Amino acid sequence: DTGVSQDPRHKITKRGQNVTFRCDPISEHNRLYWYRQTLGQGPEFLTYFQNEAQLEKSRLLSDRFSAERPKGSFSTLEIQRTEQGDSAMYLCASSPKQKNTEAFFGQGTRLTVV
Amino acid sequence: RKEVEQDPGPFNVPEGATVAFNCTYSNSASQSFFWYRQDCRKEPKLLMSVYSSGNEDGRFTAQLNRASQYISLLIRDSKLSDSATYLCVVILTDSWGKLQFGAGTQVVVTP
Repeated sequence: DTGVSQDPRHKITKRGQNVTFRCDPISEHNRLYWYRQTLGQGPEFLTYFQNEAQLEKSRLLSDRFSAERPKGSFSTLEIQRTEQGDSAMYLCASSPKQKNTEAFFGQGTRLTVV
Repeated sequence: RKEVEQDPGPFNVPEGATVAFNCTYSNSASQSFFWYRQDCRKEPKLLMSVYSSGNEDGRFTAQLNRASQYISLLIRDSKLSDSATYLCVVILTDSWGKLQFGAGTQVVVTP
């Protein structure tokens, strides 16, 4: 399977715990995006990388959220001190250099904070 | 005010009928426009880009009206498999990395 891969697919955590999600983009895609989606809403932009550089970060992303893409390949999204409001589907997407407006999404990580 | 607004629906459409719906965007600096499709509990997938002159892809037709700041999607000869949520996406001129999604329009095609 050469699509965008996200791990884990599901995560249940207690409030206050830290969680980390991983995204493996399509090989050679230079852009990588993180989005968050809640029921009945469209995906909300969180941040994006071009290669290893984090070029834009949403104001939605509080200090508890951090994302990295250290070698320009896979990316991690960490949420510290989780809150119930963080419960959502976290979607990763990547796009190729030649057509960077077409984003290919992974199946997402569903986070439930209890 | 949201950057991208859509009628959430649902639009209940008999099989074989035509359905059309719009999406409005607030920022006149919006540069690129797309329709994505999202099936229940699945990831969004690109359906089609929207060009200024309008474009067609099989049974799907997309139109852009820059003056009134909306895009539209029309589905002809609806199939049961067209049942999904259709997400409108815009990209601003000065923010090429940021796809801005609407909340989606749900379409339900019935036999």
